[in-house]
Amino acid sequence: RKEVEQDPGPFNVPEGATVAFNCTYSNSASQSFFWYRQDCRKEPKLLMSVYSSGNEDGRFTAQLNRASQYISLLIRDSKLSDSATYLCVVNIESRRYGGATNKLIFGTGTLLAVQP
Amino acid sequence: NAGVTQTPKFRILKIGQSMTLQCTQDMNHNYMYWYRQDPGMGLKLIYYSVGAGITDKGEVPNGYNVSRSTTEDFPLRLELAAPSQTSVYFCASSYGGEYFGAGTRLSVL
Repeated sequence: RKEVEQDPGPFNVPEGATVAFNCTYSNSASQSFFWYRQDCRKEPKLLMSVYSSGNEDGRFTAQLNRASQYISLLIRDSKLSDSATYLCVVNIESRRYGGATNKLIFGTGTLLAVQP
Repeated sequence: NAGVTQTPKFRILKIGQSMTLQCTQDMNHNYMYWYRQDPGMGLKLIYYSVGAGITDKGEVPNGYNVSRSTTEDFPLRLELAAPSQTSVYFCASSYGGEYFGAGTRLSVL
């Protein structure tokens, strides 16, 4: 089983639609969680962190369910410029070198195409 | 503030050649990472470093080497390039979220 699993899509939606991405992770030791956005042939960029209480940034809402090991991202009123691949990322902390080290594990991403 | 800078942006290698992918960051981050991304796939961690002088293997380290002599620089070395190393390579540095360089597109023919 992959450590981070996402539906690869593509999700084809019209402008103005609401779209939801889901992600599951297998390592219960995962400490923190993120959504990244990656445009075609570009580097990933941090979109938002994900907290158990849920967090919102404009049209974007992220949720975390630790009991189910499930993360979601909701995009409301989607724009053409939202077209990209959305990567679910978990941070696993381990104890080494007398302190903590962090490793990010990336999902394969979900492709979103917003149509005019 | 340049962030994370990778060079070169593109490179074509012949099988068996060697090269070093350069990565430098000016944010004074302790954590630095090298990833590779194959078409339609997620990022796979090659090596990472938690500070100068300390490096560790990630998920796919075979065929690569790294060093971290300074906080700023984290070069990735390919000693004997193979076609399986054709990929896009991303360097990143971290402080509560990772900041990526623009990537190096490498083809091994």
